[in-house]
Amino acid sequence: QVQLQESGPGLVKPSGTLSLTCAISGDSISDSNWWTWVRQPPGKGLEWVAEIYQSGTTNYNPSLKSRVTISVDKSKNLFSLRLNSVTAADTAVYYCARIPFHYYALDVWGQGTTVTVSS
Amino acid sequence: EIMLTQSPGTLSLSPGERATLSCRASQSVRSTYLAWYQQKPGQAPRLLIYGASSRATGIPDRFSGSGSGTDFTLTISRLEPEDFAVYFCQQYGPSPKYAFGQGTKLEIK
Repeated sequence: QVQLQESGPGLVKPSGTLSLTCAISGDSISDSNWWTWVRQPPGKGLEWVAEIYQSGTTNYNPSLKSRVTISVDKSKNLFSLRLNSVTAADTAVYYCARIPFHYYALDVWGQGTTVTVSS
Repeated sequence: EIMLTQSPGTLSLSPGERATLSCRASQSVRSTYLAWYQQKPGQAPRLLIYGASSRATGIPDRFSGSGSGTDFTLTISRLEPEDFAVYFCQQYGPSPKYAFGQGTKLEIK
């Protein structure tokens, strides 16, 4: 059974950097899947943030591209998200998820981690 | 950028009734690229339907998806108490790669 677990600071100061990791169990990050981050501001809808393939190929939401970096660590079977220059608008629940190759849908999700941007 | 508009915003029905949720795209979307999710309070979304009409693993057959082009539908044939939740449609496109509709809240009447 594939499981994803997000981790990272729950509180980040404005203008700081948000850093999250997603640990994968029951699957290998090197298999034929894309790995992705989605966020959900309080009481709002879902916003796709970024995705990465095991080869290192990345795609970013244009609205966030200048501030976001996604990366993989094959040795630890995890992937990570960094978001720079955060503001209160970046306060959200951040989910990591898996997208099987040629599936075009997110079939396994982590439970989500809440990140609040506040001084 | 392809926009997805879901309707209605809120749907009030009783257990046992049929639910029909709509997702309309601003441009034509390949059926392969359209998915539906269910989200309950405090939980992550759960994939229900991918490729517009294929049920994900473990999803009951009372859930079905249909549609093509710009109009897609999620139908729940007979509502169970656990089906009351928020539903999102999602499309895969050129930019951004993934986009979600704003959601339909299915509430108990």
